[in-house]
Amino acid sequence: AQRVTQPEKLLSVFKGAPVELKCNYSYSGSPELFWYVQYSRQRLQLLLRHISRESIKGFTADLNKGETSFHLKKPFAQEEDSAMYYCALSGQAAGNKLTFGGGTRVLVKP
Amino acid sequence: SQTIHQWPATLVQPVGSPLSLECTVEGTSNPNLYWYRQAAGRGLQLLFYSVGIGQISSEVPQNLSASRPQDRQFILSSKKLLLSDSGFYLCAWRVSGRAAYEQYFGPGTRLTVT
Repeated sequence: AQRVTQPEKLLSVFKGAPVELKCNYSYSGSPELFWYVQYSRQRLQLLLRHISRESIKGFTADLNKGETSFHLKKPFAQEEDSAMYYCALSGQAAGNKLTFGGGTRVLVKP
Repeated sequence: SQTIHQWPATLVQPVGSPLSLECTVEGTSNPNLYWYRQAAGRGLQLLFYSVGIGQISSEVPQNLSASRPQDRQFILSSKKLLLSDSGFYLCAWRVSGRAAYEQYFGPGTRLTVT
């Protein structure tokens, strides 16, 4: 079974401070991991995926298979980073279903 | 370019009434289609997915059903709504094939059952 856990429901940080959103997963095969973001009044959209190994809007995420984690990090948070963030896992089964974590709301204070 | 539409945007329905939410995708063929429910504080729950016309897989036993009458049309239905069906419903699509492909989400439908 696929499972994704985001232990923090809310993260509140000051502008310029580092932010780290935790994500742990459970999957028996080789998963594809994603971070999706939902800004206020906007659609849920992809932020980054582990296979791309890229930095988007200053965010990075490293897949740690030993710890089954895919934490999202940004060294200097900006007010425009305030949003809802979801970690998601896709397996190889038919339909390539995405399993989402419960989400973490990030609030960046000025 | 590809786009995904959902309607209606908001809906208020009494308990026991039927439901039909529609999702259509443009600009692609044979997409995988998905219905999610987003509940406050509980993330996104996958309800149904479809890999082709007439092919529906249910993830969670519930009061809802889904159908895919055309390649790019996905419908979420209920014969009799319950209070617990209230929520924000999202439709999504992705290119079939690799698990690494991105899912694209629609604007959602806010359903309130009274």
